Amino acid sequence: AQSVAQPEDQVNVAEGNPLTVKCTYSVSGNPYLFWYVQYPNRGLQFLLKYITGDNLVKGSYGFEAEFNKSQTSFHLKKPSALVSDSALYFCAVRDIGGGYQKVTFGTGTKLQVIP
Amino acid sequence: GAVVSQHPSWVICKSGTSVKIECRSLDFQATTMFWYRQFPKQSLMLMATSNEGSKATYEQGVEKDKFLINHASLTLSTLTVTSAHPEDSSFYICSARETGTINQPQHFGDGTRLSIL
Repeated sequence: AQSVAQPEDQVNVAEGNPLTVKCTYSVSGNPYLFWYVQYPNRGLQFLLKYITGDNLVKGSYGFEAEFNKSQTSFHLKKPSALVSDSALYFCAVRDIGGGYQKVTFGTGTKLQVIP
Repeated sequence: GAVVSQHPSWVICKSGTSVKIECRSLDFQATTMFWYRQFPKQSLMLMATSNEGSKATYEQGVEKDKFLINHASLTLSTLTVTSAHPEDSSFYICSARETGTINQPQHFGDGTRLSIL
């Protein structure tokens, strides 16, 4: 089985400050990990993914995420938040060895960047 | 980049009506498409996996006779909500994965807001 947890329903950060959106996962094998962003009344947009390789993954719009196997985490980060980053963020995981196509999404974290 | 077009974006209709939602991959082929339902302030709930040329795989608790899925070509999947009732009102989102890229990201449509009166 695979699962992903986003422990924070909402994260507030001041514009210009660094932001972190937390994600932890559980898989039986090795994970494929993804971050998506959703703006109101829109579908999800892909931000970044981790498959293998460097634990620090860089993605769209200045976002990055760090894969930490020992802590089973994949937190999303950005050095300097913009008001336009305010949106709903989803972490997702797929078990590489699961033989299963389905990706499991977290419950989402609302990011509010305060001007 | 890969684009998924979902139509219509907004539907308002009377109870008892059947509603069809289309999901198209515009610049790539998609053997597999996914249909999700999203309630306010909640995550995506996978309803079914749509496979080109074969029957869809429904998640537990999703009524296959209620939510009909057809994936007749490599670029089009449709979801028909039959005899819709107010409790079917929701935001429905489709996604598609390019054929042969099983571990790559899914590409999402912009969703369909369904309101049943």
